[in-house]
Amino acid sequence: AQSVAQPEDQVNVAEGNPLTVKCTYSVSGNPYLFWYVQYPNRGLQFLLKYITGDNLVKGSYGFEAEFNKSQTSFHLKKPSALVSDSALYFCAVRGPFSGGYNKLIFGAGTRLAVHP
Amino acid sequence: KAGVTQTPRYLIKTRGQQVTLSCSPISGHRSVSWYQQTPGQGLQFLFEYFSETQRNKGNFPGRFSGRQFSNSRSEMNVSTLELGDSALYLCAPRWRVRRPGELFFGEGSRLTVL
Repeated sequence: AQSVAQPEDQVNVAEGNPLTVKCTYSVSGNPYLFWYVQYPNRGLQFLLKYITGDNLVKGSYGFEAEFNKSQTSFHLKKPSALVSDSALYFCAVRGPFSGGYNKLIFGAGTRLAVHP
Repeated sequence: KAGVTQTPRYLIKTRGQQVTLSCSPISGHRSVSWYQQTPGQGLQFLFEYFSETQRNKGNFPGRFSGRQFSNSRSEMNVSTLELGDSALYLCAPRWRVRRPGELFFGEGSRLTVL
């Protein structure tokens, strides 16, 4: 069964420092991996995805993610954090095909707090 | 960028009642998914519609149903509400054709069941 795990409930980082939000996955077959961000009282916004190709994926707002097949990880990174990056981040894997392509299985989420 | 309007944004119901939530994409998306978000269970897939046909369904009881109309608007219905149905319900048209999983979520309808 497809699943993702986000081992950290919260990540704290100072503004200007690099940030990493961790995600590990378990899939049968090739993984389709995603990161989404949720700001307070808002819906989710797509950040980036990995399907195939380069292991380093670049996305919106300066975020990138590194796919590591041997470690089954897909960590979200940013070289220099901003206070405005504070939000809830979700890692997701596409579920097995069963008639549709848009069933995503989400991790529990990691709250990122960037301090001035 | 196409937007998504979900109505109502907030509503309060009591146990046993039913509720209908609406999702209106600005542009014509042929595919729309619904998700439930709760503090305990996180984000869970409810169902997916493509060209008015349900293509996929999550592990929810039959009290949860949905539909998609020819103008791409979608609705979901929950009958015989239970306290555990209190959640943020998100609809998500697929943002681009041939980009599965890239979903553009609305801001959601927050349902409170008393």
